[in-house]
Amino acid sequence: SYVLTQPPSVSVAPGQTARISCGGSNIGSKSVHWYQQKPGQAPVLVVYADSDRPSGIPERFSGSNSGNTATLTISRVEAGDEADYYCQVWDSNNVRFVFGTGTKVTVL
Amino acid sequence: QVQLVQSGSELKKPGASVKVSCKTSGYSFSNYAINWVRQAPGQGLEWMGWINTNTGIPTSAQGFTGRFVFSLDTSVSTAYLQISSLKAEDTAVYYCARRNAGNYFLDFWGQGTLVTVSS
Repeated sequence: SYVLTQPPSVSVAPGQTARISCGGSNIGSKSVHWYQQKPGQAPVLVVYADSDRPSGIPERFSGSNSGNTATLTISRVEAGDEADYYCQVWDSNNVRFVFGTGTKVTVL
Repeated sequence: QVQLVQSGSELKKPGASVKVSCKTSGYSFSNYAINWVRQAPGQGLEWMGWINTNTGIPTSAQGFTGRFVFSLDTSVSTAYLQISSLKAEDTAVYYCARRNAGNYFLDFWGQGTLVTVSS
């Protein structure tokens, strides 16, 4: 079955750029979506279809996808960006949603 | 505005059943599938399956067949997740989420329902 692998944690200083990777076999051929989950809250969609942002999501959040790695980039990181981030794809072969393992972003 | 509001926390004994509700508003209920996602304590997100809100046909992920049942009451725009023969390992937060029409991502989520199974 299809597996998405993320680094367990990423640390970044305020104002700097955080990059969160999501690895999967030929993931570049799939549409990748990203969710932010703050402690005790439900996930929130922050990027869909590799690089599009839902209404209300700051431009600081961007995404890219190529080859075997998709990346969520958070520019000018703020304290409020501290959260867990999950990538997600649709596995059409097995007819299921697949979530990545999740990455905890810590703002130093 | 689109809203998914779930029922409150539940404390159940092993072997009991629980039914979690997900009441929707702000959009046409039958046009968007409702998905269910489980998050065990300290763990990641796990997709459980979905229910087609137009046909009522459910699709369950591997590991969520049998004891896990998805249902609807279209008259009140509400989806349900029922879990029977509860086990300690069913302790988790359960989320309902709307699947974006024509796409495979979840654009709006309920606030989550904590189900605790303990004797």
